[in-house]
Amino acid sequence: IEVTQSPATLSVSPGERATLSCRASPSISTSLAWYQQKPGQAPRLLIYGASTRATGIPARFSGSGSGTEFTLTISSLQSEDFAVYYCQQYNIWPRTFGPGTKVEIK
Amino acid sequence: EVQLLESGGGLVQPGGSLRLSCAVSGFTFSSFTMTWVRQAPGKGLEWVSAISGTGDSTFYADIVKGRFTISRDNFKNTLYLEMSSLRVEDTALYHCARGVGGTYFESWGQGTLVTVSS
Repeated sequence: IEVTQSPATLSVSPGERATLSCRASPSISTSLAWYQQKPGQAPRLLIYGASTRATGIPARFSGSGSGTEFTLTISSLQSEDFAVYYCQQYNIWPRTFGPGTKVEIK
Repeated sequence: EVQLLESGGGLVQPGGSLRLSCAVSGFTFSSFTMTWVRQAPGKGLEWVSAISGTGDSTFYADIVKGRFTISRDNFKNTLYLEMSSLRVEDTALYHCARGVGGTYFESWGQGTLVTVSS
């Protein structure tokens, strides 16, 4: 399954909303997870099942979508949210990650 | 507390072999599918291989199939990745990760660096 993400880089000011896209082909139902990765750190699970927040994840992170189109929304960017975000499908083996979206400070 | 600690990385020549280990604690190891995910320097995440809790089922990315072997020792709470016929493009930080049935990954180790170079 091919997983793509857009945009590659997103420039956002603190306090603004960020919308990240992930596409899968073919359809993966809601078998999609989102991760955040900061430099020098392991990835951190944010969302699974396309829309369920993982334990301890703030409510400003939300996921939506099903089938082939998915979105991660960060409602009001905080300084600690500037990072790279990856989506990952787990509908079929082998699992696959998207190439990532870097969210940078505008 | 769930902990995953990788080891075994290092510098190896193209065509060489290496065995990675991931020692875990804080959970019932045999109940979880375990996965290896790698990240080449400056690049994105790449799923490599997974093994079921009993070790009966294994899965591989096409790019490593036939060269890498995943295994586990549920008595030692340790996951392994035996890598052979290594290529320059296998150079990466290798993370072990715990997932729910090998689906998504809620716990990750910090990784062990494998460098394939002559």
